[in-house]
Amino acid sequence: NAGVMQNPRHLVRRRGQEARLRCSPMKGHSHVYWYRQLPEEGLKFMVYLQKENIIDESGMPKERFSAEFPKEGPSILRIQQVVRGDSAAYFCASSPSGFSSYNEQFFGPGTRLTVL
Amino acid sequence: DQQVKQNSPSLSVQEGRISILNCDYTNSMFDYFLWYKKYPAEGPTFLISISSIKDKNEDGRFTVFLNKSAKHLSLHIVPSQPGDSAVYFCAASAGNNDMRFGAGTRLTVKP
Repeated sequence: NAGVMQNPRHLVRRRGQEARLRCSPMKGHSHVYWYRQLPEEGLKFMVYLQKENIIDESGMPKERFSAEFPKEGPSILRIQQVVRGDSAAYFCASSPSGFSSYNEQFFGPGTRLTVL
Repeated sequence: DQQVKQNSPSLSVQEGRISILNCDYTNSMFDYFLWYKKYPAEGPTFLISISSIKDKNEDGRFTVFLNKSAKHLSLHIVPSQPGDSAVYFCAASAGNNDMRFGAGTRLTVKP
C-alpha cells in the first residue's frame, strides 16, 4: 500500500544550480499538488497538475520554477538557479480527483531543500 | 497575506485532558475546512474536516467546531494521548485548488 512517494528526501544545492524534486502519487490518483513550507510557516500552495496538464499554477513563482506531470513517470518540480530563499520543505500531495470534489489530499513525506 | 491563522505556536496538555487547538480565518469565501496532523520527517496526514453547512463534526476522540460568524474553528481532542503529540495544521478552501494552511500548532501531550 504505497503512499505518495517523494525523492530525494534531502537535497543540497549550491546557489545557481538546479534542483529537481520528484513525486509519485498514490496508485489510482491522477491529481498532484505541490506545496512549499518555509521555516515557521504553514504550507503554501504552489501548483496543481493532472496528467500532462497544469491546472492551476497561481502559487508558483513566475521565474525559475516549473512543474510537470507527464503521461508516464512522476511529477517533477524544477527550480532553476536556486537561491538561498528557496531553502524549504517541498511537499507533494495527490488525490483521486480534483480538489473541487473535496477529496482529502494525501501528502508525501516531503523533500527538504537546502541551498548553500 | 495570511488568510488562515493559528495564533498559538505551541500547546502543552496533560494526558487524559482535553486539547483545544484554535484557528481563525479572514476569507468569508472559505467553505471547507480541514485539520492535518504532522509528525517530524513525515508529510501531513488528514485528520478531520467540516463543511460550512455544519457547525460540528465528530470522529472518535476528535471534534471540529466551526463558528462562521466569528470565522473561527477549533479542534478538540479528548482524551488527549501522548501519541497525539504532533504539529496540527488548519486548512481552508473556497472550493478551488488553492487550499490555505495555517502556520501550525505544536501539541505536546505529557504522560
